[in-house]
Amino acid sequence: EVQVLESGGGLVQPGGSLRLSCAGSGFTFSNYAMNWVRQAPGKGLEWVSSISGNGGSTYYADSLKGRITISRDNSKSTLYLQMGSLRAEDTAIYYCAKSLGGSYLRSTFDYWGPGTVVTVSS
Amino acid sequence: QSALTQPASVSGSPGQSITISCTGTSSDVGGYNYVSWYQHHPGKAPKFIIYEVTNRPSGVSNRFSASKSDNTASLTISGLQAEDEGDYYCSSYTSTSAVVVFGGGTKLTVL
Repeated sequence: EVQVLESGGGLVQPGGSLRLSCAGSGFTFSNYAMNWVRQAPGKGLEWVSSISGNGGSTYYADSLKGRITISRDNSKSTLYLQMGSLRAEDTAIYYCAKSLGGSYLRSTFDYWGPGTVVTVSS
Repeated sequence: QSALTQPASVSGSPGQSITISCTGTSSDVGGYNYVSWYQHHPGKAPKFIIYEVTNRPSGVSNRFSASKSDNTASLTISGLQAEDEGDYYCSSYTSTSAVVVFGGGTKLTVL
């Protein structure tokens, strides 16, 4: 059974940093692009970042570029999101999602985790 | 990158059909056949129900169908059931980010 499970969320002060993790299981992790999507309170889904299966290509939402870094460790089947200079507007549920396939199908997310909550507040 | 445009809410009675629209541009919905739809119940992981505009993943009810015309994609749910209540999001491959853009989401209420 394919599963992805996020961890690492919590309460952080404005300007602080946080690293989220996402463990994948039930599939060959290195064969698939992986993604982060967030949902702020009362808002819709917002794509955050994506990384190719081998980690060689990374993509970032313009609104977060420069403050986040996506990475993966295929030996551990784990995806990461390093976030810095956090602001109140970064408060959200952060979801990890597996891409359905390669090329354009990396834009379709077939398995999602339950999310991890990040709260930025003093 | 602006979100795709969806109605904020739709509603229908059990057994009826509803359609949710998703409007983008030629850089996303209109330019590529990589529109997906997701069902999201608050507090749970989103579930993907449509990919490549019209395809249903294994296990998704055939009450869910979808289509696209020019820059607008549509999701139709027939034979509405109480369990269909929730939020629905469209997404599309976009040449702007080279990954994906989501719609703003539509809240479906089953009356």
